[in-house]
Amino acid sequence: GDSVTQMEGPVTLSEEAFLTINCTYTATGYPSLFWYVQYPGEGLQLLLKATKADDKGSNKGFEATYRKETTSFHLEKGSVQVSDSAVYFCALTFFGNEKLTFGTGTRLTIIP
Amino acid sequence: DAGVTQSPTHLIKTRGQQVTLRCSPISGHKSVSWYQQVLGQGPQFIFQYYEKEERGRGNFPDRFSARQFPNYSSELNVNALLLGDSALYLCASSLSPTGSNYGYTFGSGTRLTVV
Repeated sequence: GDSVTQMEGPVTLSEEAFLTINCTYTATGYPSLFWYVQYPGEGLQLLLKATKADDKGSNKGFEATYRKETTSFHLEKGSVQVSDSAVYFCALTFFGNEKLTFGTGTRLTIIP
Repeated sequence: DAGVTQSPTHLIKTRGQQVTLRCSPISGHKSVSWYQQVLGQGPQFIFQYYEKEERGRGNFPDRFSARQFPNYSSELNVNALLLGDSALYLCASSLSPTGSNYGYTFGSGTRLTVV
């Protein structure tokens, strides 16, 4: 079945460091890919998405590029802030399918 | 505009009891999905409803059921609660039936604790 594998956490970085959180997927066909963020005590917020190969999703300084050849959708940010501390989830879905399939999440902590 | 609203925010139930969780989607969204998020894990798909019809069901026992009302709000029911049902239950709404183009907007969830 379809699955999403995320970089093991937790990840701790200093403020202004470069961030990469790896995400790879296994699926038959070409899914839409998402990054969601969950702040403490809250639900999930859509961070960015890409619906086809080579698309780049971006939002709030975060970017991720849909790489069909490596079945990856790695999340990057050039300079992280303390406010970026949260749990990040990579997810996929297919057109005509009803569900999101999530990875296990990566907890990110940014220290001043 | 109001986002996806869920009630109650927290709930404590005893094993064997029944629980009903409620969700109001964003205005104009006709699709509602339910997810279970156990502590430390990613959310797992339970149900999706679109235009009051069930469009998808995840790998959950028959103790879990849901419905969608004419105003597109939804309820998730869980019978004969088990300790393992303790989780954050998330509701998500979308413009389209699948969410593949627009994505899903999630509520803040209902934290269910079964004791």
